[in-house]
Amino acid sequence: DSGVTQTPKHLITATGQRVTLRCSPRSGDLSVYWYQQSLDQGLQFLIQYYNGEERAKGNILERFSAQQFPDLHSELNLSSLELGDSALYFCASSAGLGYNSPLHFGNGTRLTVT
Amino acid sequence: DAKTTQPTSMDCAEGRAANLPCNHSTISGNEYVYWYRQIHSQGPQYIIHGLKNNETNEMASLIITEDRKSSTLILPHATLRDTAVYYCIVRVEAGGYNKLIFGAGTRLAVHP
Repeated sequence: DSGVTQTPKHLITATGQRVTLRCSPRSGDLSVYWYQQSLDQGLQFLIQYYNGEERAKGNILERFSAQQFPDLHSELNLSSLELGDSALYFCASSAGLGYNSPLHFGNGTRLTVT
Repeated sequence: DAKTTQPTSMDCAEGRAANLPCNHSTISGNEYVYWYRQIHSQGPQYIIHGLKNNETNEMASLIITEDRKSSTLILPHATLRDTAVYYCIVRVEAGGYNKLIFGAGTRLAVHP
């Protein structure tokens, strides 16, 4: 158990809808990362927050947004969903920002868009 | 970005050591090498990381060459539960921030 909690585990929704994925980082970790894993793309970095502030962006679509709250949990919002958004979404957390601070991943939310 | 090159797949007999190689010839002086694994569709699991010295923990050993251009992850006594995709990653700095960029990894199959 990595200590990172993601909810829900599974989500099935229709095209055009909006969903929110939630992540609780490990106790004491200030940084949260979101990754997307689809069958044909591998693990893609989406976005990173540190202590409530956005710190780095990857290949995140404009339809997607995220935030980190004062209690350090994070939410990833996906809107105007398309079939291609079906994927596993992983959250990770780390204690700090440095190279020497490992990321620890949750077990993901499996999103299916029909 | 410092890229890594890994074999696409490897086999290992149960109980034997699994040695997973990784090339990272463009690594910079302050970049760490990280290893993760992913079992089926679970979240990537942190294994070990290092800068230039060899490292060992309860899961594995990491051997980094003196020039830092390659490394080897060693699972000393592989079990069936070690069957997974193993990712060798150089932690990348971009725009003052650093993140993990995953490649395709090595699919390790441990067989009886």
